[in-house]
Amino acid sequence: EVKLVESGGTLVQRGGSLRLSCAASGFTLSDYWMKWVRQAPGKGLEWVADIQEEGSQKYYVDSVKGRFTISRDNTRNSLYLQMNSLRVEDTAVYYCARGGLPRCFDLWGQGTMVTVSS
Amino acid sequence: QSALTQPPSASGSPGQSVTISCTGTSSDVGGYNYVSWYQQRPGKAPRLMIYEVNKRPSGVPDRFSGSKSGNTASLTVSGLQAEDEADYHCSSYADGNNYYVFGSGTKVTVL
Repeated sequence: EVKLVESGGTLVQRGGSLRLSCAASGFTLSDYWMKWVRQAPGKGLEWVADIQEEGSQKYYVDSVKGRFTISRDNTRNSLYLQMNSLRVEDTAVYYCARGGLPRCFDLWGQGTMVTVSS
Repeated sequence: QSALTQPPSASGSPGQSVTISCTGTSSDVGGYNYVSWYQQRPGKAPRLMIYEVNKRPSGVPDRFSGSKSGNTASLTVSGLQAEDEADYHCSSYADGNNYYVFGSGTKVTVL
């Protein structure tokens, strides 16, 4: 079965750090761009970051630049999001997604909740 | 980049059609044929329904169709079924070196 499973979400204080993981199965991770998307409670989706197949190119939404780092380990079939200097407005469900079709998100995980308290 | 504009809600009776709009600018929807649509049922992950404006991934019923005119994209669901009740989000590739924007989402209710 082709799937993505996120983990690592929890309650963290403002200014803290957290690392999210996404385990891929049923396909070869190194063949795809991978992405993180978040959804604040009751809000729409927001693209967070992209990483190219081999990890050499990374892109971020302006609001997380300098604070979040996307990375991957293709040998472990895993995607990561290191989140530092967390803000209350980073509170959201974080989804990992695959870029298997042109410029879109063709496979999603079930999400992991990150809550940043003040 | 600003979020794309979608109506908060839309509805239709079973068997009818509903169309959802997604309005952006020439820097996103109007500038690229990379509009996609996602269905999200309550408490569930999004599911890709349309990509590249009007293409359906394998497994998506042909009741779902997409189009674009200028800076506005649209998703039409024909022959509404109870299972189509969900939130629908649009997305577009945008100017700015590999950048994506999403809409605010539209809740579709099957009456």
